[in-house]
Amino acid sequence: GAGVSQSPSNKVTEKGKDVELRCDPISGHTALYWYRQRLGQGLEFLIYFQGNSAPDKSGLPSDRFSAERTGESVSTLTIQRTQQEDSAVYLCASSSLAGGADTQYFGPGTRLTVL
Amino acid sequence: AQSVAQPEDQVNVAEGNPLTVKCTYSVSGNPYLFWYVQYPNRGLQFLLKYITGDNLVKGSYGFEAEFNKSQTSFHLKKPSALVSDSALYFCALDQTGANNLFFGTGTRLTVIP
Repeated sequence: GAGVSQSPSNKVTEKGKDVELRCDPISGHTALYWYRQRLGQGLEFLIYFQGNSAPDKSGLPSDRFSAERTGESVSTLTIQRTQQEDSAVYLCASSSLAGGADTQYFGPGTRLTVL
Repeated sequence: AQSVAQPEDQVNVAEGNPLTVKCTYSVSGNPYLFWYVQYPNRGLQFLLKYITGDNLVKGSYGFEAEFNKSQTSFHLKKPSALVSDSALYFCALDQTGANNLFFGTGTRLTVIP
């Protein structure tokens, strides 16, 4: 079916505001990942969901960041009280299996700009 | 601890010439290695991966990569570069039991007409 989709594609917000980013994984994919890509840098892992298991939150940079996933479908990444250093592209990926050798397929990303 | 290094920030190659984008890794167990390509304002596209077996892996768009365990490398190659190959290339590592990919910092490939 369709690939991973993310919305919005671009988000400009003021410092201190909360933002919500959405990810729709590939249908049937049980694993979902969020990454952050700062300008000119590689991807940083944020959080991982696998089915109904407790998410791996080890990459979240602060308690202002949180994410939810409803079953094996949509996920939202929320950043509270945004700071300028949160400006980045936020990428979502999904895969059909948990970790290991399975390929992660990425969405187009949400470009977040915090003024 | 695991890590991925892409020693070259930028690689320039003339159209029609062979290209190589370098990647080395460090991991305690067996590595699963991936290459992704990122075009401007787009997400990452999967190119190829090494899991086990043949050290030479063939992927999309004519790219291939060679897994070298002794040198802990996984260099990306293509026999004849196209201008349309110009993009940002990321090497990534997945380790057994890990829940995420570890990415290199990326190499910008520019193919000169």
